[in-house]
Amino acid sequence: GESVGLHLPTLSVQEGDNSIINCAYSNSASDYFIWYKQESGKGPQFIIDIRSNMDKRQGQRVTVLLNKTVKHLSLQIAATQPGDSAVYFCAENSRGGADGLTFGKGTHLIIQP
Amino acid sequence: DADVTQTPRNRITKTGKRIMLECSQTKGHDRMYWYRQDPGLGLRLIYYSFDVKDINKGEISDGYSVSRQAQAKFSLSLESAIPNQTALYFCATSDRTSGRGGTQYFGPGTRLLVL
Repeated sequence: GESVGLHLPTLSVQEGDNSIINCAYSNSASDYFIWYKQESGKGPQFIIDIRSNMDKRQGQRVTVLLNKTVKHLSLQIAATQPGDSAVYFCAENSRGGADGLTFGKGTHLIIQP
Repeated sequence: DADVTQTPRNRITKTGKRIMLECSQTKGHDRMYWYRQDPGLGLRLIYYSFDVKDINKGEISDGYSVSRQAQAKFSLSLESAIPNQTALYFCATSDRTSGRGGTQYFGPGTRLLVL
């Protein structure tokens, strides 16, 4: 069935290193993708989005890559900092026009000092 | 002040009780959503509303109802709470001008425990 999932539940990286968080989706009709960051006790916070007519988009220290051929999405965080510790969710829109998002299960990013 | 607020932030109730979770936004967005989050899972859509006169069921609407009292207010009700409705509930908003699937902005969440 339709699903959006993440390959790893937990990712541990050294402070200052780059992080890559992956996401797979199964619905070919998905045309809008978002990465959210959720810190403990808070609601998801928008990081970056990408539409299906693009394969790369950059923000401040973050880059999202979209590979529609293999239905894969990734979030790259450059020079990770302690404040990057959080759960990261990918989400996509594929409800035939409805704007509700389908979320993946999340990856917990842990920054090691 | 937060753009999307939820009340209460925490709630404990008993099986069979009716409860209401409220959401208010000052972003001026026309679209509002309710999601629930369970441990180890992503958020799942319960209901969404494109404007005051428009209410739509999401992925997991059974056991829930909603009311869009005004553009800025969207409440979620559990008519007869059951233990498997214990979860973290999030309200979100988006702006129609951002297009289909536009960025959604989330409230801080309501943690609900049904005993």
